[in-house]
This record gives sequence, C-alpha cells and structure tokens, in this order.
Amino acid sequence: AQKVTQAQTEISVVEKEDVTLDCVYETRDTTYYLFWYKQPPSGELVFLIRRNSFDEQNEISGRYSWNFQKSTSSFNFTITASQVVDSAVYFCALTSNDYKLSFGAGTTVTVRA
Amino acid sequence: KAGVTQTPRYLIKTRGQQVTLSCSPISGHRSVSWYQQTPGQGLQFLFEYFSETQRNKGNFPGRFSGRQFSNSRSEMNVSTLELGDSALYLCASKLTLEVSGANVLTFGAGSRLTVL
Repeated sequence: AQKVTQAQTEISVVEKEDVTLDCVYETRDTTYYLFWYKQPPSGELVFLIRRNSFDEQNEISGRYSWNFQKSTSSFNFTITASQVVDSAVYFCALTSNDYKLSFGAGTTVTVRA
Repeated sequence: KAGVTQTPRYLIKTRGQQVTLSCSPISGHRSVSWYQQTPGQGLQFLFEYFSETQRNKGNFPGRFSGRQFSNSRSEMNVSTLELGDSALYLCASKLTLEVSGANVLTFGAGSRLTVL
C-alpha cells in the first residue's frame, strides 16, 4: 500500500516570509512518481511539479523549489518570499501505476498581507 | 486550449435521490478519472475510464458508477444518496503517451454535491 503524509495541517505566514511544506511517503515500489498540486478556493487542483524516483535533483521554478530525498522518503516544497496569491491548499501525491494517485491530507497555507 | 469542464458546479439533493455528474476532458485526452474530496477522508480515487472502458475502481460501494462515451466525455452517477456522499467530486483527464505513472492529471473545478 502507498501512503503520503503531510504533517502540517495549516501554516500561516506574513507576506514575504518563506514557507516549507513537508511531505513524507511510503511505497514498496522502486519506480514511482511524486507530485505537488495546489488547490485555490476555486476548487480545481493545479499541477505544480512531477518527480520520478530516479531523479533526486532538486528543482527551482521561480519562487518555488522542491527537495527530493529518497533516503528519508521526503519530497518537501518551499515557497520563497510568499505572496497573498500563494494562499491555497497544497497536496503532495504519489503513484507507481498509471491510474491512481494517492494524496496526502493537504496543507492549508494562509499568507497574510 | 480548453481545460477539463465539469457540470453542474453546485447541486443540492436529498437522501435517497440519485445524481449524475458530467465531465468533458481536454481535447485529445482519452483517460478520465474521478476523485471524491471530503474534509474527513480527503481525496479518494473513485474510478478511471479509458476508451469507454472502466480500467480501475476505487473502494466505493456499487451505488457509485460511471461511464465514458466515444468522445471521451464521462459521467458518474450516485444512486440512493446518503448524507455522507456530500463532497466535491473532481474529474481529471490525461494523455497516456508517457510511461506508466508519469502521466500528469489535469483536474476540473469539481462538482460540489450537498445531500440534505
């Protein structure tokens, strides 16, 4: 069975602060894919990043960065210099097949002006 | 390029009724998946359709069913509604060109069902 744990339920920061979202996963498969999605109040899940199990290279995209460490089964996400528009629920997800994503419980990020 | 379109966006039903939700995938996407999102259980996989065939099903009772049409549009149906079926139902579509597991799901805005 696969499992994704996002220990932080809610995070509240003031604009321009950095915020890091933790994601820990469990799987017995050697090939798997990790994702981060953002869910704004409108409801739809917006894809942010995909990482496969063979690529531990960290990635930076604008103010977003991701730290993937297989040794600790973690795939953490950092928002640098947060903005009010970053307020949303963020989900970490895992799959090793082609049909089902296993999601974490989500972390609600509130950025205050 | 149009995204994934779900209708209706909001609906209210009473216990015992049935409901049908519709999903139009991105043009060219042949795989459609459905997820249920509730505060208590989070995001849970319902089923996935590809070329009009249900390929996989999550752990939900038989009251939850779906189908896919030849144009890849999909519908899901919930019969004999219960209070616990109140949720946001999300549809997602994807291309299936990449290796297994790598395909990115594109989600619609969801249909919010309230059962009274």
